[in-house]
Amino acid sequence: NAGVTQTPKFQVLKTGQSMTLQCAQDMNHEYMSWYRQDPGMGLRLIHYSVGAGITDQGEVPNGYNVSRSTTEDFPLRLLSAAPSQTSVYFCASSPGPGSQETQYFGPGTRLLVL
Amino acid sequence: EDKVVQSPLSLVVHEGDTVTLNCSYEVTNFRSLLWYKQEKKAPTFLFMLTSSGIEKKSGRLSSILDKKELFSILNITATQTGDSAIYLCAVDSNYQLIWGAGTKLIIKP
Repeated sequence: NAGVTQTPKFQVLKTGQSMTLQCAQDMNHEYMSWYRQDPGMGLRLIHYSVGAGITDQGEVPNGYNVSRSTTEDFPLRLLSAAPSQTSVYFCASSPGPGSQETQYFGPGTRLLVL
Repeated sequence: EDKVVQSPLSLVVHEGDTVTLNCSYEVTNFRSLLWYKQEKKAPTFLFMLTSSGIEKKSGRLSSILDKKELFSILNITATQTGDSAIYLCAVDSNYQLIWGAGTKLIIKP
């Protein structure tokens, strides 16, 4: 049981490049979410999904796209990276939106945009 | 606008001391308040609080919620160097977690 996995662990991009941060969970959780964490700030919700085929915007969605074609996978796409997107990104999953105490976090992806 | 404010932002104490971390909130639809500990990587869950006045306890850590005054405290007694971490408070509002900026706790030997 791997839990929540994220790849890559670390990535350097140039401004304007695109990339996809991968997130997968093997717990059959319906609810998945993406956060970014910046120094001196808490986690901020980017996008979330309450089940396959359903996604919605969080607090800071601009510059990011998501899709949820399967229960297991929830990739985050940066279409045109900007230095302001330099951050640590966490993916999380839980059985449902009402079960935050059982939210599992991935190990994080550290992204540097030059 | 929903917000969660933690204080202090950082705290340095000596091993054996007792610390109290604060979390206040203003949200539209409170469901629960959660505390997390974050060391080098992802946050790990500590407590979830939904009712006022009921203390949650785990070893040297305890937490309580005051829904009238809209705050929670996290207490750590007899601190150890392994307690050094960022402690995050989050409030579930409309099934979304609103996070505080965290308190960075450093325990000196």
